[in-house]
Amino acid sequence: SYGQTQPQSVSVAPGQTAIITCGGDNIGSKSVQWYRQKPGQAPELVLYFTTDLPSGIPRRFSGSKSADTATLTISGVEAGDEAVYFCQGWDSRRDLVVFGRGTLLTVL
Amino acid sequence: VQLQESGPGLVRPSEPMSLTCTVSGDSITSGHYWGWVRQPPGEEMEWIGFIFHTGTTLYNPSLKSRVTISLHPSTNHFSLSLASTTAADTALYYCGRSNYGDFGDFWFEYWGQGSLVTVSS
Repeated sequence: SYGQTQPQSVSVAPGQTAIITCGGDNIGSKSVQWYRQKPGQAPELVLYFTTDLPSGIPRRFSGSKSADTATLTISGVEAGDEAVYFCQGWDSRRDLVVFGRGTLLTVL
Repeated sequence: VQLQESGPGLVRPSEPMSLTCTVSGDSITSGHYWGWVRQPPGEEMEWIGFIFHTGTTLYNPSLKSRVTISLHPSTNHFSLSLASTTAADTALYYCGRSNYGDFGDFWFEYWGQGSLVTVSS
């Protein structure tokens, strides 16, 4: 698998900040995107180009990237944020899109 | 923009499979990449490939020998064909519209709901 590494789960209380990481030597110089997926639903884009918000996604969502780790930060977590979040990037050595395994965000 | 996959549901091993993605709210000749992603049970998403509105394709190297993605402008849909299927091809197949920056900066703006394909005798 060429997938990027994500923690299996993250739990936070409402109003707190959730931090979800995506790591691997495939991060490289290209952007990282983030999606969320709720049970039985299609994935939804929540961040693209590492830091940009699609229309309709609140500014509580933000992203960053270092040399080998991308981070999704959700501030002021709400019950409705509960979902699986997965990252997506580009493996320049093999010319393919790669996905992380996903992190289950649980709102306590 | 809405996308809807349709597929066979069940495929016999070694037989080919085809999936269709019908697009509404946009034209598949509009200038985006149109792609396929699959998710085997309990596994991470796996990118299958893209087709650009010009017909240029980009495939996952591990699937390239078995995959064909095609555009069908007259009916505004695109399709996925996968040859020589095995049980490892059992997955939820998603189609999507991808936007892009420089080469390698791709993101799926819109996704279909997914179509489950099971490869089994």
